Amino acid sequence: KAGVTQTPRYLIKTRGQQVTLSCSPISGHRSVSWYQQTPGQGLQFLFEYFSETQRNKGNFPGRFSGRQFSNSRSEMNVSTLELGDSALYLCASSLASGQTQYFGPGTRLLVL
Amino acid sequence: KQEVTQIPAALSVPEGENLVLNCSFTDSAIYNLQWFRQDPGKGLTSLLLIQSSQREQTSGRLNASLDKSSGRSTLYIAASQPGDSATYLCAVENNNAGNMLTFGGGTRLMVKP
Repeated sequence: KAGVTQTPRYLIKTRGQQVTLSCSPISGHRSVSWYQQTPGQGLQFLFEYFSETQRNKGNFPGRFSGRQFSNSRSEMNVSTLELGDSALYLCASSLASGQTQYFGPGTRLLVL
Repeated sequence: KQEVTQIPAALSVPEGENLVLNCSFTDSAIYNLQWFRQDPGKGLTSLLLIQSSQREQTSGRLNASLDKSSGRSTLYIAASQPGDSATYLCAVENNNAGNMLTFGGGTRLMVKP
């Protein structure tokens, strides 16, 4: 079956703009998590959605938000972009807590 | 707060060697531990998941062990191949963490032909 897909794969934005990233989980998976990966901080958890509800949130400012739709697809939004938001954004899906998480290829965001 | 450390940060070995990657975590109240592989510029590929009640998991040439009480896990790769070159990441899911993974910094492995 198809894996986790993320769109777009690459984005270039300027400071102050906002961006929306999309993630489609593996069919049947109800949990979607988002992570930010940077060379300096490594992989950091942003938030997790299960059945359209945010269950967990990492230590990121309110500029980072997300949502999940009834078909389990998820979007994350970053408003008022800063240079430090340049990163690889990864989403992962799983059937439930404690199960293997499957990651998408990521969206590489560059903020100029 | 859970902290995950991976040693060494980088490793270079000749093809055919058996090798061990290490992962340690500070909070033993974990639900599970997962090992992932990441190729440059790509997403993560799940290798093995060990539940907190398990001691080890095996998949092909890979074997992962877990000692929850001491806060350690090892990933053993047998008969390494150039195609094993990648960054290996371990991540823990704490109890009641709802799928939140805490990652180590990774071990960058290069297997030379």
